[in-house]
Amino acid sequence: GAGVSQSPSNKVTEKGKDVELRCDPISGHTALYWYRQSLGQGLEFLIYFQGNSAPDKSGLPSDRFSAERTGGSVSTLTIQRTQQEDSAVYLCASSLGTGRSIEAFFGQGTRLTVV
Amino acid sequence: KQEVTQIPAALSVPEGENLVLNCSFTDSAIYNLQWFRQDPGKGLTSLLLIQSSQREQTSGRLNASLDKSSGRSTLYIAASQPGDSATYLCAHTGGGNKLTFGTGTQLKVEL
Repeated sequence: GAGVSQSPSNKVTEKGKDVELRCDPISGHTALYWYRQSLGQGLEFLIYFQGNSAPDKSGLPSDRFSAERTGGSVSTLTIQRTQQEDSAVYLCASSLGTGRSIEAFFGQGTRLTVV
Repeated sequence: KQEVTQIPAALSVPEGENLVLNCSFTDSAIYNLQWFRQDPGKGLTSLLLIQSSQREQTSGRLNASLDKSSGRSTLYIAASQPGDSATYLCAHTGGGNKLTFGTGTQLKVEL
C-alpha cells in the first residue's frame, strides 16, 4: 500500500475484554514498531520487529500486552483483560530496515477507549 | 536513560514569522534524528531525517540542523503559515534501533 495502515481507527471496549489492533506496514519494509500515546503524554515505545530477528519487547508495560508479526509483514498487537489505563492512541510505524539513513513512517493510529 | 527534551513546550506566533524549535538529547551515539509533525487526532508525518554524519537537511520552508557533539537539533520554519499549526516532535535512532521521542512542541500560527 501507499502508507502504513492501521485498523480499526477507533475501538471502544469494556474493561476486562481482549482487543486486537492491526498494522499493515509499507510493502517491503522489514522493520515495524508499535508505540503508545496517552492523552497529553509523549510517545511510549512498546515493541520492535526487524526481519526474522527476535523482537525487542522491552517496552511492553505488562504481560497483558503481546504482539506478533506474521510472515514478516502484518502485525497484531493484543491487549488482554483491558484496563482503563490502557486507553490511548496506539501507533504503528515501519521502515526499510535499520541504520543511519532509515526513515520511519507512521500510520494514523488506533484510538482505544476502555470503559 | 536516554532523554530527549523539546523547548518550548508550546509556542504561538503571528503568521509570517520565522521560528526555531529546539530538541536536546543525551545519547551521543545516535544514528540519525528525525522531525515529525502531528495534527490533532492524527498519526505522525515525517518532515526531515538527518543522518548523524550530516549537519542539516532542507525541505521547502523547513530546515533542520544537527549538532551531535552538543546533543542538539533545531527545526527552522520560515514564513510560518496557519497550516503549520501542529505538534512537532523530534526523535532519534541509536544502537537499539528504536526511535526515542521528545516531548513535543505545540505550535500555533495565528492569522
